[in-house]
Amino acid sequence: EPEVTQTPSHQVTQMGQEVILRCVPISNHLYFYWYRQILGQKVEFLVSFYNNEISEKSEIFDDQFSVERPDGSNFTLKIRSTKLEDSAMYFCASITGEYNEQFFGPGTRLTVL
Amino acid sequence: AQKVTQAQTEISVVEKEDVTLDCVYETRDTTYYLFWYKQPPSGELVFLIRRNSFDEQNEISGRYSWNFQKSTSSFNFTITASQVVDSAVYFCALDRGSTLGRLYFGRGTQLTVWP
Repeated sequence: EPEVTQTPSHQVTQMGQEVILRCVPISNHLYFYWYRQILGQKVEFLVSFYNNEISEKSEIFDDQFSVERPDGSNFTLKIRSTKLEDSAMYFCASITGEYNEQFFGPGTRLTVL
Repeated sequence: AQKVTQAQTEISVVEKEDVTLDCVYETRDTTYYLFWYKQPPSGELVFLIRRNSFDEQNEISGRYSWNFQKSTSSFNFTITASQVVDSAVYFCALDRGSTLGRLYFGRGTQLTVWP
C-alpha cells in the first residue's frame, strides 16, 4: 500500500541553525501539507501546497518557514533559523484531490537545543 | 471560524468496558468532512474514519462506531469492549471542504485502557 514517507525520523539541531525536513508524498497525489504538533498538544496546520505554490498558510508559518517541491517526488519544509519553540513533531500529508482522506507520514521529531 | 472541541482530556477505563469519546465542531460551511485519527505512543497519526456532512448515517467498524448528529454538531466515537491496545490519543478533525485538505484538529483525548 502506498504511503507518505518522511526523513529524518528525528533531528536534533542547535538554536539558530537551518533545518530541512523531507517528505515523499504518495506519487499520484496533488495536494501536500505540513502540520506541526508540539509535545502534548494538538496537531496544527502549517501550510498547504498545490501546483507548485502555497495555497494556504497559517499564522504559524512565518518568514522563517518555506516549502518547496524541488523535484517530482520530494516535498520539503525549511526552517531558516530555528528557535527553541520550533521543537515539535512535524507531519507531512498528501491527498489526491478527489478525496479528503489525508495520508499522513510518520512524522519527524525536531528537537532544538 | 472553524473549531473542534474535545472536552475530555483524559479517560481511563478497564478492559472490556465501552467508552465514548466526544467531539463537537463549529463551522458555517454546509459541506464539510469530519475525521477521527488515532495517535498511539509511537506518534504516528492513524486514520480511522472520514464522514461527509451529507451523510448522517452512523457507522460501525468492528468494535468502533461513530455517531454523527448535525443537530448537535457532534461526531462521537465509541469503542466497544475496549482493549489495552486501544490506549492512545484520539483526535477529531474537521475539513471545511472549501479549503481542500486543511484539517482543524481538536486537542485530543488520551484514552488509557487498563488490563
